[in-house]
Amino acid sequence: DAGVTQSPTHLIKTRGQQVTLRCSPISGHKSVSWYQQVLGQGPQFIFQYYEKEERGRGNFPDRFSARQFPNYSSELNVNALLLGDSALYLCASSTQGISEAFFGQGTRLTVV
Amino acid sequence: DQQVKQNSPSLSVQEGRISILNCDYTNSMFDYFLWYKKYPAEGPTFLISISSIKDKNEDGRFTVFLNKSAKHLSLHIVPSQPGDSAVYFCAASDAWGAQKLVFGQGTRLTINP
Repeated sequence: DAGVTQSPTHLIKTRGQQVTLRCSPISGHKSVSWYQQVLGQGPQFIFQYYEKEERGRGNFPDRFSARQFPNYSSELNVNALLLGDSALYLCASSTQGISEAFFGQGTRLTVV
Repeated sequence: DQQVKQNSPSLSVQEGRISILNCDYTNSMFDYFLWYKKYPAEGPTFLISISSIKDKNEDGRFTVFLNKSAKHLSLHIVPSQPGDSAVYFCAASDAWGAQKLVFGQGTRLTINP
């Protein structure tokens, strides 16, 4: 069975640009969450989506947005990139009603 | 405001011995706790969890202990193996089934042969 897949694995963007990260959950998982992990820190919660609705939002500015599609895949968008947005962005999927989230390998975003 | 803290950035243990990783939390609303392991260039992998109604949960070589009064949990790995070398994250949520996980900073465990 395929796990959580994220694309791209790496990308480099310039300050002020916009970026879209993609995530496909494990088959049958309807909940997708996004996390940001900066170097030396643990992952920090950004968003959770379930059945295409936002169910939770972390302490991130409005430059961050996300959506979930009918097939439960998800996109994370970040506008007006800052150097501080450089991080590993992790997507996790799970079955609603459990807390054990299964993570993808992440997208390494570098803003220059 | 770091609600989940792992105060040891690194830990070195000899192969075959016990590894003990510690985690403290401040939010008394946390009800469910998880441990994840992370290898370089991979996403975190779920290891073991515990609900606040229990004080111990075992899964093979891994045991998690929860002390609610001290707001402290620990992960014991016995016996430690070289493949256990990784970064370990403690995480918490405020309800069983909640998807918003609050992570600690991680502890890098190195198992020496």
